[in-house]
Amino acid sequence: GAVVSQHPSWVICKSGTSVKIECRSLDFQATTMFWYRQFPKQSLMLMATSNEGSKATYEQGVEKDKFLINHASLTLSTLTVTSAHPEDSSFYICSARVDQPQHFGDGTRLSIL
Amino acid sequence: RKEVEQDPGPFNVPEGATVAFNCTYSNSASQSFFWYRQDCRKEPKLLMSVYSSGNEDGRFTAQLNRASQYISLLIRDSKLSDSATYLCVVKGGTSYGKLTFGQGTILTVHP
Repeated sequence: GAVVSQHPSWVICKSGTSVKIECRSLDFQATTMFWYRQFPKQSLMLMATSNEGSKATYEQGVEKDKFLINHASLTLSTLTVTSAHPEDSSFYICSARVDQPQHFGDGTRLSIL
Repeated sequence: RKEVEQDPGPFNVPEGATVAFNCTYSNSASQSFFWYRQDCRKEPKLLMSVYSSGNEDGRFTAQLNRASQYISLLIRDSKLSDSATYLCVVKGGTSYGKLTFGQGTILTVHP
C-alpha cells in the first residue's frame, strides 16, 4: 500500500532555531500533500495544503512566513518552522492523497526549549 | 460550533463489552466520512470509511445519517488492543476537499 515517510520523528532544539521536516511519498507520486499540527489532547488541525510546483495554500490563522512549505518534486514536501519558539512545540504530521483516504506519515514531535 | 464534534470520553470498558461513539458534523456539503484510530504519540490510521447504507468490518460497525449529520461507530466484543483514540473525520465536497478531524474519543479497554 501507499507509504508516506516523515523525517525526523523527534526534534528537540533551542528557541530561535529553524527546523525542517521532510515528508516523502515512497511508492507513489503525490501532487498534493497536507501538513497537520496536533497539540496535546487536541485534534489534528490542517495547517496547509502543499501543491507540487506551486505555492502552498495556508489555512486561516497559519502564518505562511513562519511555516515555509516547499513541494519541489512529486515525492517530497518540506515544512520549515522558522525561528521556532516553545509555543510551536507540537506533533506535526504530513499526509498525501492517493484517491481515498489520505495516507499519513509517522509524524514529527517538535519540542522547543 | 466545531465543524466535527465528538464526545471526548474517556470510555473505560471491560473486555468483551460493546461500546458506541457518536459524532456530528456541521457542513451539510460534506461528502466523505471516516473513522480513524490514533494510538498514543502515533499518526492516525484509517479504521473504516462510513457509508450512508451503514457498513461493517468484523467487530466494527459504522453508520451515517446525512439528514441528522450524525456518524456513529460501534465496537463489539472489545479487545484490549482496541484501546486508542478514535477520530471522526469528515471530508469536504470537492475532490481535494480537506479532512476535518474531530477531537477524538478516548477508549480504554481493561481486563
